[in-house]
Amino acid sequence: EVQLVESGGGLVQPGRSMKLSCAASGFTFSNYGMAWVRQAPTKGLEWVATISYDGSSTYYRDSVKGRFTISRDNAKSTLYLQMNSLRSEDTATYYCTRDRNPGYFDYWGQGVMVTVSS
Amino acid sequence: DIVLTQSPALAVSLGQRATISCRASQSVSISRYNLMHWYQQKPGQQPKLLIYRASNLASGIPARFSGSGSGTDFTLTINPVQADDIATYYCQQSRESPPWTFGGGTKLELK
Repeated sequence: EVQLVESGGGLVQPGRSMKLSCAASGFTFSNYGMAWVRQAPTKGLEWVATISYDGSSTYYRDSVKGRFTISRDNAKSTLYLQMNSLRSEDTATYYCTRDRNPGYFDYWGQGVMVTVSS
Repeated sequence: DIVLTQSPALAVSLGQRATISCRASQSVSISRYNLMHWYQQKPGQQPKLLIYRASNLASGIPARFSGSGSGTDFTLTINPVQADDIATYYCQQSRESPPWTFGGGTKLELK
């Protein structure tokens, strides 16, 4: 059974940093691209970033480019999202997803809440 | 960016057909591939993939769900609607990436 379990969320002040993790199991992690998708409270879904199966390629939405870094450790079957210079508009539930070529998300974690507030 | 437009809500009776539409600001089809996908999200839960590449049923999804369309106009059909189907439905395109974009969601409600 495919499982994606996020951790690392919480309350953080504007301008500070936070790192999310996603532990994957039930599939060969190193064979799949992975992505983060977020959802602000009462809002719709928004793709954040994608990383290729081997970590050689990464893609970001414009609003997080230069502030967020997606990475992975295939030996640990873990996906990461390093978030720097956080803003109030980054407040959202962040979902870890498995990214299938051509660019749809077939498994989702339960999500982790990130609140950016002073 | 490709903008996907969905109606905010749709009211339907149990046992009837629900048709949810998604319109793209430009074509999301390449050759024979229609790069539109559909998700279901229930309150307090993560989204679930229903349909990929416009018409392919995802694993474990009941056959009462189906998808169709090409170019800029796509449809998710639920027939017949069951009580468990009350949720918000999102379309998502992967024709032009990045960014992959989602529609605003259609909330399926009981009439």
